[in-house]
Amino acid sequence: SAVISQKPSRDICQRGTSLTIQCQVDSQVTMMFWYRQQPGQSLTLIATANQGSEATYESGFVIDKFPISRPNLTFSTLTVSNMSPEDSSIYLCSVDRSSHGYTFGSGTRLTVV
Amino acid sequence: AQKVTQAQTEISVVEKEDVTLDCVYETRDTTYYLFWYKQPPSGELVFLIRRNSFDEQNEISGRYSWNFQKSTSSFNFTITASQVVDSAVYFCALSALNSNSGYALNFGKGTSLLVTP
Repeated sequence: SAVISQKPSRDICQRGTSLTIQCQVDSQVTMMFWYRQQPGQSLTLIATANQGSEATYESGFVIDKFPISRPNLTFSTLTVSNMSPEDSSIYLCSVDRSSHGYTFGSGTRLTVV
Repeated sequence: AQKVTQAQTEISVVEKEDVTLDCVYETRDTTYYLFWYKQPPSGELVFLIRRNSFDEQNEISGRYSWNFQKSTSSFNFTITASQVVDSAVYFCALSALNSNSGYALNFGKGTSLLVTP
């Protein structure tokens, strides 16, 4: 199954700043997915990233707040912009590996102070 | 619309007991996929099973078994002879084609399982 390298694994950031999270997949994939997991909660889809086109965002998430890049079939970034304490969450990227299920990165644990 | 309901928020059992985690889903699509994931305290998501909507066969993998019933839109997960290492949050998820997000996963709220010695 695919291996996803996600970084940083954790960060503590000041409010008002931005953080860019990177995900590198060890094989080419068409779609990459970005999720947020707030403390003690389930996973919520932020957006779907296709290579060569703009990401599509779920209700409640906007490009200005969570810009995504997808420059090639193995890499994507998610930026959390103008952070506030409410953005403190775990952010995960994911790809579909068919019979192996969806593989997730190890997550980025973000704390905004 | 797609929805996954895990009505059990927390379950606590004593080691060696059997435990069933419930999952009920909603979708209008005839082609869809169901999943279970385990999230131990360390936080990583561990894939357990993927089942497509055309395969209603139950599955057993060691102490784990899954019961898929389309008639009741349920995909329940049973752990037999539970162990302390089974303590985790378990998520049921649904994937069906969505014009916005493709086949992205929709997760239930999760069931936190605590197995005590």
